[in-house]
Amino acid sequence: GQQVMQIPQYQHVQEGEDFTTYCNSSTTLSNIQWYKQRPGGHPVFLIQLVKSGEVKKQKRLTFQFGEAKKNSSLHITATQTTDVGTYFCAGRTLVYGNKLVFGAGTILRVKS
Amino acid sequence: DVKVTQSSRYLVKRTGEKVFLECVQDMDHENMFWYRQDPGLGLRLIYFSYDVKMKEKGDIPEGYSVSREKKERFSLILESASTNQTSMYLCASSLATGGGHQPQHFGDGTRLSIL
Repeated sequence: GQQVMQIPQYQHVQEGEDFTTYCNSSTTLSNIQWYKQRPGGHPVFLIQLVKSGEVKKQKRLTFQFGEAKKNSSLHITATQTTDVGTYFCAGRTLVYGNKLVFGAGTILRVKS
Repeated sequence: DVKVTQSSRYLVKRTGEKVFLECVQDMDHENMFWYRQDPGLGLRLIYFSYDVKMKEKGDIPEGYSVSREKKERFSLILESASTNQTSMYLCASSLATGGGHQPQHFGDGTRLSIL
């Protein structure tokens, strides 16, 4: 079964609204990566979080890693039509054989 | 810039055929991966390789095999294609350094249909 859970599966927002996707693991992660896949495209690496409680920002995107290193979130402020796509989290832990395990992804659609 | 090239963007094959999906990367990456992507399931790891002639099973290896004869090339083989292998297949590569903290770089994917 899925070892990294990601919610919601799908979100449709009005342009200018905020958006958040959440990622949860049953085991402690050594790191977590986030990827974005545009419609018809391939996943592209956005960022990696390694430290407990880490917060990183990329313009309107804010990434957080939980204190217990079991959950993470991606928050987009004031969405734009260019934000559409599927956002994946991917966690790594020795429990998973140190492989990167992807969440199912959150599909974001933005209405203009 | 890293380039991961998959040989076909779209492929249609028949049940029972032996299917080869090719992937080449140009950045001298040690690690290479094959995933399949299905709606609602995300990316699931089929096989990966950390070095030439080395391969390890991922989460869903049944019905697949791989070959890595050269560092830059990683091939996925469907021994006898079945309809439940209809999917999008993504190849990725990454550097081996950094204790597993390197990002993965993906190809454009091959959308495979088995009739």
